[in-house]
Amino acid sequence: GQQLNQSPQSMFIQEGEDVSMNCTSSSIFNTWLWYKQDPGEGPVLLIALYKAGELTSNGRLTAQFGITRKDSFLNISASIPSDVGIYFCAGQLFKAAGNKLTFGGGTRVLVKP
Amino acid sequence: NAGVTQTPKFQVLKTGQSMTLQCAQDMNHNSMYWYRQDPGMGLRLIYYSASEGTTDKGEVPNGYNVSRLNKREFSLRLESAAPSQTSVYFCASSGRDLNTGELFFGEGSRLTVL
Repeated sequence: GQQLNQSPQSMFIQEGEDVSMNCTSSSIFNTWLWYKQDPGEGPVLLIALYKAGELTSNGRLTAQFGITRKDSFLNISASIPSDVGIYFCAGQLFKAAGNKLTFGGGTRVLVKP
Repeated sequence: NAGVTQTPKFQVLKTGQSMTLQCAQDMNHNSMYWYRQDPGMGLRLIYYSASEGTTDKGEVPNGYNVSRLNKREFSLRLESAAPSQTSVYFCASSGRDLNTGELFFGEGSRLTVL
C-alpha cells in the first residue's frame, strides 16, 4: 500500500523560531492534508491542499502541495508554546473509496528546555 | 457540540479477553473509520464504512471486526485480545459529499492488553 515518510520524527522549538517539516510518498496523491494532535486528543485538520503547486496559509501555518504530487511541506512561523504536539501529513487519492486517508508517521514538536 | 464520541477512554484487558469499542457521531456523516495509533507509525486504518450497511478492510484488519449499527454508530470488536493490540484507537467520520479529506476524530480509546 502507499507509504508516507514524514520528517523529522521529532524536533525542539524555541519560542519565536520558524520550523518546517515535510512528507514524501512513493505514490501520487490528489489531496494532501496536515493534521495536528494535542496530547490526549484526536487529530484536528489544519490545512488541506487540492492542487499540485498550491501554497495555502492558515494563520502562522503555510503548507505546499508539491508539484510532483508526491510531497508536501508544512511551515510554522514564529512558533509559540501551544504549537507543541504531533503533526501528521495525510494523502488522499481522488474519489478514494470512503474518503480514505493514508497518514505519515508524525512529527513530534517539543519545546526546548 | 459532541462531534465524535468514543467509549471507553481507557481499558485494560488480559490476553484472550474480548471487548467492543463504541463510536457515535452526530454530524450526519456517511463515512466512519477506525484507526490505531502506535508510536512512530502514525495512524493506520483498521476498517472503514463508506456508508450505512457497508464495511471494508483497511491496512491492518486482522484480529478485529466491525459493525455499522446505523448511520450514527460504528463499533470495533476485539474477539481475542493480544498484546500486539495494545494501542490508542481513534474513531473518525467524514461527510461523503465533501470529499475534502477532512476527517473528524474522537478523543481516542487507550487499550492495554496484558
